[in-house]
Amino acid sequence: GQQLNQSPQSMFIQEGEDVSMNCTSSSIFNTWLWYKQDPGEGPVLLIALYKAGELTSNGRLTAQFGITRKDSFLNISASIPSDVGIYFCAGRPNSGYALNFGKGTSLLVTP
Amino acid sequence: GAVVSQHPSRVICKSGTSVKIECRSLDFQATTMFWYRQFPKQSLMLMATSNEGSKATYEQGVEKDKFLINHASLTLSTLTVTSAHPEDSSFYICSARVDRGTDTQYFGPGTRLTVL
Repeated sequence: GQQLNQSPQSMFIQEGEDVSMNCTSSSIFNTWLWYKQDPGEGPVLLIALYKAGELTSNGRLTAQFGITRKDSFLNISASIPSDVGIYFCAGRPNSGYALNFGKGTSLLVTP
Repeated sequence: GAVVSQHPSRVICKSGTSVKIECRSLDFQATTMFWYRQFPKQSLMLMATSNEGSKATYEQGVEKDKFLINHASLTLSTLTVTSAHPEDSSFYICSARVDRGTDTQYFGPGTRLTVL
């Protein structure tokens, strides 16, 4: 499947700063999902988006399903050291249930 | 809710042996499960889609005779790496799609396979 364009590739920030990352694709998606993966573990679902324009929060995390259905962003406010990890966006296209993934954004937070 | 387990979490085997990895949805039914492979510092690569009661659908370049998938129940899919070789060493992760309600996939914790 198509790999999504996820940026930035990595971020190195100080604790307390806000973080923003996004994903774009050349085709439309029906669902956008954001996952966080810690080393040696499977991805954990953070936020799921099902409608164009939808804005959803989960604690300090906020994500939006782009109105064109070709993009999504994830914001993390007031970052803390445990936010460290790799964040993946994933989208489900019109056909089938398999997800297309971005390459991931590696987040490092210094105290 | 929505917990997916994998067993074993890590396995070391000799070259030429076969290894079976189990993926279970613990508190929901999953007609469709997925198997991924992940190399260090890379994204997840879809290997195959596992459908309960029917044959798995493999992605291009994935050998179906090498990676046998069985999805015998609504809560269990297995991946068997046959005649494993060192190049099969990797992190294998499964995900399960919730049958009812929202279109969401939940991932297992992964299995680290090392072939000597």
